[in-house]
Amino acid sequence: DTEVTQTPKHLVMGMTNKKSLKCEQHMGHRAMYWYKQKAKKPPELMFVYSYEKLSINESVPSRFSPECPNSSLLNLHLHALQPEDSALYLCASSQDPGLADYNEQFFGPGTRLTVL
Amino acid sequence: AQTVTQSQPEMSVQEAETVTLSCTYDTSESDYYLFWYKQPPSRQMILVIRQEAYKQQNATENRFSVNFQKAAKSFSLKISDSQLGDAAMYFCAYLETNAGKSTFGDGTTLTVKP
Repeated sequence: DTEVTQTPKHLVMGMTNKKSLKCEQHMGHRAMYWYKQKAKKPPELMFVYSYEKLSINESVPSRFSPECPNSSLLNLHLHALQPEDSALYLCASSQDPGLADYNEQFFGPGTRLTVL
Repeated sequence: AQTVTQSQPEMSVQEAETVTLSCTYDTSESDYYLFWYKQPPSRQMILVIRQEAYKQQNATENRFSVNFQKAAKSFSLKISDSQLGDAAMYFCAYLETNAGKSTFGDGTTLTVKP
């Protein structure tokens, strides 16, 4: 299994809703990432988990809350989002952040989020 | 902070021809990694090619090759024998060694004309 899966593919939510995005990989990778991508723009790093511990938080607003329940799973909990948070949310994984030669990131297909 | 610049927002190439996408970066580190990723419209981002800064030899992957000029901080991607399936947005990315943090360029949209 050499893929990163993300659910749901599309999500529409109101500003008062609470929802979660899910990401899963079964490649034995020990680093997982959340990115936000606006149309025709590069991905912007939000969070990095390394060995199930949050290692990087790029000053993301608290309405985004990541969670890494185990080494295969990564969640992003959403609450009280704003319309400007509408974007494609990408999950990625890499084999081992401590081994420099195994650091390329494998991306999931993304969740397209619309906040009304 | 590291920066990555892709100076060509859009490029086009005739099918079967060769095209080169430019990327420059700025860093004070001596050890790092560079990548080219491809993102077709509404499709998944995939890795095209990677280059370790400590390697002088340019990476190649089938029709894809890079011209890595470390002193000039330049990392261009050459696509030979372009195919319709090569049409996509291409991102150049810089990765700090062992840091897990990638910096992406703004991307180049490549159109392949039949």
